[in-house]
Amino acid sequence: QVQLVESGGGVVQPGKSLRLSCATSGFSFSDSGMHWVRQAPGKGLEWVAVISFDDSNVFYGDSVRGRFTISRDNSKNTLYLQMYSLRLEDTAVYYCAKSPRSVAGLMDSWGQGTLVTVSS
Amino acid sequence: EIVMTQSPATLSVSPGERATLSCRASQSVSSLLAWYQQKPGQAPRLVIYGASTRATGIPARFSGSGSGTEFTLTISSPQSEDFAVYFCQQYSNWPPYTFGQGTKLEIK
Repeated sequence: QVQLVESGGGVVQPGKSLRLSCATSGFSFSDSGMHWVRQAPGKGLEWVAVISFDDSNVFYGDSVRGRFTISRDNSKNTLYLQMYSLRLEDTAVYYCAKSPRSVAGLMDSWGQGTLVTVSS
Repeated sequence: EIVMTQSPATLSVSPGERATLSCRASQSVSSLLAWYQQKPGQAPRLVIYGASTRATGIPARFSGSGSGTEFTLTISSPQSEDFAVYFCQQYSNWPPYTFGQGTKLEIK
């Protein structure tokens, strides 16, 4: 079955960096667009970034553009989110989600999330 | 950016009583609208895509309708496991992909 497992979350000081990973199995990773979506404590869902199946296209939300980098390693079936210059407002559970190749924005399976806490 | 607005914020219904959740887009998204269910401490789960197509494993009591800017998720006879928060999301005009703020479906 489809599995997405995030890791790398933790407590980090403002201005520091953190790298999240999303290990996947059970589907053709190299045929799937992949997203990061976050959810601040008690809040709704905020789309963060997307990367196309072949790494040729990436897009970011306004609040993270220029500070976060999404990438993937199709040989390892793994998605990454490198986060720089972290701010208090980046505190959230970060989910990775997959899209079918034919529908880039549909998120049909999600990981369980990893918590990032930005605090001094 | 397309703004998605859900109503009501909280919907209280008795088990077996029809539940109707609404989602409005600030501009047309055609039928490129999804609904997700999220239970406490869990990841979101896809319920409906293409405004009206049930995702794999979703019971027939869930139905979606609408197009353009007005959408509805209906649960014909909610069971205990259906009480959760529901988010709509448009995937028509992007970036960014945008979500509604959520509707909490609770037991009356």
